[in-house]
Amino acid sequence: DSGVTQTPKHLITATGQRVTLRCSPRSGDLSVYWYQQSLDQGLQFLIQYYNGEERAKGNILERFSAQQFPDLHSELNLSSLELGDSALYFCASSASLMGSYNSPLHFGNGTRLTVT
Amino acid sequence: DAKTTQPPSMDCAEGRAANLPCNHSTISGNEYVYWYRQIHSQGPQYIIHGLKNNETNEMASLIITEDRKSSTLILPHATLRDTAVYYCIVRVGQGAQKLVFGQGTRLTINP
Repeated sequence: DSGVTQTPKHLITATGQRVTLRCSPRSGDLSVYWYQQSLDQGLQFLIQYYNGEERAKGNILERFSAQQFPDLHSELNLSSLELGDSALYFCASSASLMGSYNSPLHFGNGTRLTVT
Repeated sequence: DAKTTQPPSMDCAEGRAANLPCNHSTISGNEYVYWYRQIHSQGPQYIIHGLKNNETNEMASLIITEDRKSSTLILPHATLRDTAVYYCIVRVGQGAQKLVFGQGTRLTINP
């Protein structure tokens, strides 16, 4: 068990809809990362938050947004869903920037999103 | 981040040592080598990381060449549960940097 919790495990929705994926990081971890894994794309970095602030952005679509709350949990919002958004969405967390030299990321078990 | 090169697939017999190679010839002095694995759609699992010295933990050993241009992950006594995709990633050590995943090596442990 990595200590990173993601809910829900599975989500089935229709095109055009909006969903919210939730991530609780490991206790004490301030950084949260979101990744997307679809069959033909591998693991793609979407976005990172550190202590509530956006820190790095990958190839995240404008229809997608994220935030990290004061209690450090994070949510990934996906809107105007398309069939191609069907994928596994993983959240990871790591320790703080300071005093965490080469701190590894620890991943949750993901949310499987199916858009029909 | 420096790019890595891994064989797309490997096989290993159960009970034998699995040696997974990785080339990272453009690695910078401040970049660490990380290994993760992903077992059938589960979240990637951290295995081990190192800078220039060999490292060992309860899961595996990491051997980094002296010039740091390549490394080998060793699973000393592979079991069927070690069947997974293994990712070798180089990452700047300082600060909470993201991981950039390549295609990895699909390791199959055969009974």
